[in-house]
Amino acid sequence: QVQLQQWGAGLLKPSETLSLTCAVYGGSFRGYYWSWIRQPPGKGLEWIGDINHSGSTNSNPSLKSRVTISVDTSKNQFSLNLSSVTAADTALYYCARGQSPDYYDSSGFDSWGQGTLVTVSS
Amino acid sequence: SYELTQPPSVSVSPGQTARITCSADAFPKQYAYWYQQKPGQAPVLVIDKDTERPSGIPERFSGSISGTTVTLTISGVQAEDEADYYCQSVDSSGTYWVFGGGTKLTVL
Repeated sequence: QVQLQQWGAGLLKPSETLSLTCAVYGGSFRGYYWSWIRQPPGKGLEWIGDINHSGSTNSNPSLKSRVTISVDTSKNQFSLNLSSVTAADTALYYCARGQSPDYYDSSGFDSWGQGTLVTVSS
Repeated sequence: SYELTQPPSVSVSPGQTARITCSADAFPKQYAYWYQQKPGQAPVLVIDKDTERPSGIPERFSGSISGTTVTLTISGVQAEDEADYYCQSVDSSGTYWVFGGGTKLTVL
């Protein structure tokens, strides 16, 4: 059974860069796209972007200019960097296993990390 | 931007049937998915590819699609089904994932 464990800094100041990492245990790292999804307090889910084992990425156009997603296949890990954060980036950030949005037969996000609360405050 | 529209809330009594809708300008060739999220927990996939129920999800959960609306149906609602439910699909150009705004299901 695949498990996702994530970590990263929980408190940032405006203009800093958010950095989170997600490690994948069990199951195959190949054959999937690995996503970052966030949820502001009391609000809904927002997909940030994803990456596969070969480094191919997709991202939400609303965040694309600030998002960098990278992968380390030697450790079965992937990471999110979100630059120039503001209070609007305060959210619970999840990593999740899924497939590419441009794949005609994609399944949904079937495994999720535990979530990391990131607060942006001066 | 592409949007998926859900009702903010749905209320039902135990044992009744809850229906949560998700509408879009158009559902492209891609599928729709449904997630259940309880307070303090990560979302759980309850309906995959429009109508498929993942392993471990109770049979009372089902999905359907009609035109530009997908529906999550929970038959014989139980108190434990009280949660937020989100639909998900791909945008009209097929390049990024989109979530609906979420529906709070209250079991009276």
